[in-house]
Formats: sequence, structure tokens, C-alpha cells
Amino acid sequence: DQQVKQNSPSLSVQEGRISILNCDYTNSMFDYFLWYKKYPAEGPTFLISISSIKDKNEDGRFTVFLNKSAKHLSLHIVPSQPGDSAVYFCAASARNQGGKLIFGQGTELSVKP
Amino acid sequence: EPEVTQTPSHQVTQMGQEVILRCVPISNHLYFYWYRQILGQKVEFLVSFYNNEISEKSEIFDDQFSVERPDGSNFTLKIRSTKLEDSAMYFCASIRPQGTGAYEQYFGPGTRLTVT
Repeated sequence: DQQVKQNSPSLSVQEGRISILNCDYTNSMFDYFLWYKKYPAEGPTFLISISSIKDKNEDGRFTVFLNKSAKHLSLHIVPSQPGDSAVYFCAASARNQGGKLIFGQGTELSVKP
Repeated sequence: EPEVTQTPSHQVTQMGQEVILRCVPISNHLYFYWYRQILGQKVEFLVSFYNNEISEKSEIFDDQFSVERPDGSNFTLKIRSTKLEDSAMYFCASIRPQGTGAYEQYFGPGTRLTVT
């Protein structure tokens, strides 16, 4: 039951360029979407979120775009830095259903100097 | 900055033994969660806890699992009789929903459970 999918297991980007990580979902009850960054043997670290009533949210170098009709969201990181290298997880939540997070499989981002 | 803490960082146990994983959520948070991540797989929801009771649990959270908030600060996950397939990273998370509708869950560093 893959309600949240990240189809790219890995992405390699040159430092200074844009990183675009993609995520698709199937459950139309989801109304809140989040991106987390994770290093091995550590917990997920919250990066940025977006409510379903918006189509864009920006925080510094990070921007999340939501296309509800396509059930698709993306995370843009610009400019990418070597310290951004990590696994990025997309997660979705239906807030009126207790708020549990459903995670995608993750995309491993590698930013090369 | 307040953070979620978890102990121990690594627990090794023999199959059939009971383990208790401990978490201290952020102090003014109201909702508490346990997730797990089997090596190489995605993070999976186990259980949510609000107002001193389970609000939702996944299929993974069977009779071998239980959660408790024994005092005002700790939140524990107990596995009564561990199986090999329980080996995973276990993450605790907590949240205090904001009036804006913000719903970010903050995660602890995890406990690596190894069942031998």
C-alpha cells in the first residue's frame, strides 16, 4: 500500500545547482505534506511543510511546490550545497485523522563540490 | 532548542525477551508517536497516543506491542516477546498542533533494536 511514492532512489547534483526531489501521493484525504532530511543512524529532521490550501511554501533555499490535481509535490533546493547530501523523505498526513505521517521511500541526494 | 530524546541509543536483545524503549517528548507537546524503520526500508507508523490513550495503531502494532506514558515526561514502547523481524530503528515523535494548522512532527534520534 504505497500511498506516498518517491520514484527516484537517488539524485546527484553539482554544488550551486538546483536539486529537485519529487513525490507522488494517492490518498486525496492527505491535507498536509512535509519534507524531512535524514542522515544514517539519526532521526528525521523536519525541513519544510505545506498545507493543501497552498501551492507553494518557501523557506530560505528550500521551496516546496504542491500540485493537488496531479497529487504531486516537489522540493527545490537552490543553490545546492555539499552539506545537503542526505536522504530526503516526503511525508503526508490527514490532520483530521490523528496526524500520523505516511512516508515515501526516500531519495538519497548527493551534492558534489 | 527543545528536542525529543530517546534511550537507549542501541539495544541488543535475544529473541523472546521483553524490551522497553524510552522517549522524552518535547515538554509542551500533546500528541506522541512511534515509528520504525527496518534497514533499507521506509519509515513506518506504529502508533499514535493522545490524552493518555492510543488514538490510532497500524497493523504492525499487534498484541506484542504496548505504549505507556507513566508520568508527565516519559513515553515508552514495550515489545513483550521480541522476534528477529523486530530489528529496526525505532523513532519517537511528538507534536503540538499550532493554531495555524501547522503539524510538524519532531523526531528523536532513534533507538537501534537488534534482536538475535
